[in-house]
Order: sequence, then C-alpha cells, then structure tokens
Amino acid sequence: EAGVTQFPSHSVIEKGQTVTLRCDPISGHDNLYWYRRVMGKEIKFLLHFVKESKQDESGMPNNRFLAERTGGTYSTLKVQPAELEDSGVYFCASSQLPGGITDTQYFGPGTRLTVL
Amino acid sequence: TQLLEQSPQFLSIQEGENLTVYCNSSSVFSSLQWYRQEPGEGPVLLVTVVTGGEVKKLKRLTFQFGDARKDSSLHITAAQPGDTGLYLCAGAVKTSYDKVIFGPGTSLSVIP
Repeated sequence: EAGVTQFPSHSVIEKGQTVTLRCDPISGHDNLYWYRRVMGKEIKFLLHFVKESKQDESGMPNNRFLAERTGGTYSTLKVQPAELEDSGVYFCASSQLPGGITDTQYFGPGTRLTVL
Repeated sequence: TQLLEQSPQFLSIQEGENLTVYCNSSSVFSSLQWYRQEPGEGPVLLVTVVTGGEVKKLKRLTFQFGDARKDSSLHITAAQPGDTGLYLCAGAVKTSYDKVIFGPGTSLSVIP
C-alpha cells in the first residue's frame, strides 16, 4: 500500500511568487491534515479536511494560504504571495477514521519550502 | 494556549547506554503520542497513551503517561545506532475531534 506522498520535495522561490504544494493521501483515507514546521519551531497544525470539507482551518496563518481538496482525494496548499516567514517544511498526513489522536495519522515526507 | 516542552533538546550517547526523554505541559491532554522522525521523512507514530499512569513497552522503548495526564517520558534501554532520530511528543486537545499539538522534539544521536 502506497503511503502519503507529497510534491515537490523541495521548492525554492522568491518572495512574492506563488507556490502550490500537493499531497496525495493514502487511498481510502477521508481525513487529511496539513502541518508546518518552521526553523527551530515545533510542527504546527494548519488545517484538517474530512473528504472535501474543511473540518478545522484554525491553524492557517493568514489569507495568503489556500487549501483545497476537490473531490476528496488529493489536496493542494497554495501560498500566494509567498513571504520569507513562510519558509519551512510542510507536512501532510492522512487517517482513516475521524478524530486525530486515537486514530493513526500517517505522515508524508514533507515539502521543504524556501522563500528567498 | 497548550504548549508541550521536551527535554533534553539534544542528546548524544554511546551505543548500549540507557536514556530517558521527557515531555511536559501545564495542560491536561486527553491522550499523548510519541513519534520518531528521520531526516527527509515525516514523523512515524510509535505509541499512543491514553490513561493517566499508563505504561507501554515497544521492544527496548518504554513509554509512560503521567498520572495527571500532563507529562510523559520515553525510556530507551541499550540504545542502538538505529534509534537515532528526532523524537516528538504530541498531545491531543479535545475540540470536535482530537486536535494534535506537537512538542519541539528531542534529537537523539547514538554513536556506535
């Protein structure tokens, strides 16, 4: 069974540009989560999809970030326009059952975003 | 705001030694998880503890959840080079579901 995949693995862009990150969850997993780890800080929750609906987007930093999950399969996270403080590693995770911690979340390898 | 602290931040030990890492908070969590993360990969779940005072063992790893459900420890016996990695604790915060809050991690290096 394929795990959670993320694309690209690395992205280097200039301030003001747009970047779109993609996450393909494990097949059949209705729950999809985005997290971010900026340099020297802990991994922080961004948002949670249940199928195509946003269950919780309280962690999204501002309106420069837009997450979508059309059709309830893969998800994209767009940053527009990117700022220097957006640099970090963006993780995606998926789980089969509702509820975060009592069900195992499977993490992807992350996308390392560098904004210059 | 719920925060998780982990100590030590960095740990370098010789193969065969024992070690304990700690995860502490002033908040009560409904449950707590430990993950291990290796370079270039995402965190991988090791264990979930739910009940205050609970102890779980996974081969040479022993996990304990504090009685008050505010802290946890991970003890590794006879560390191996393969144990090297970043150990993260994560607490569940009850909302409409279990939202996960991560600690900053303990970076462990086991020297052969």
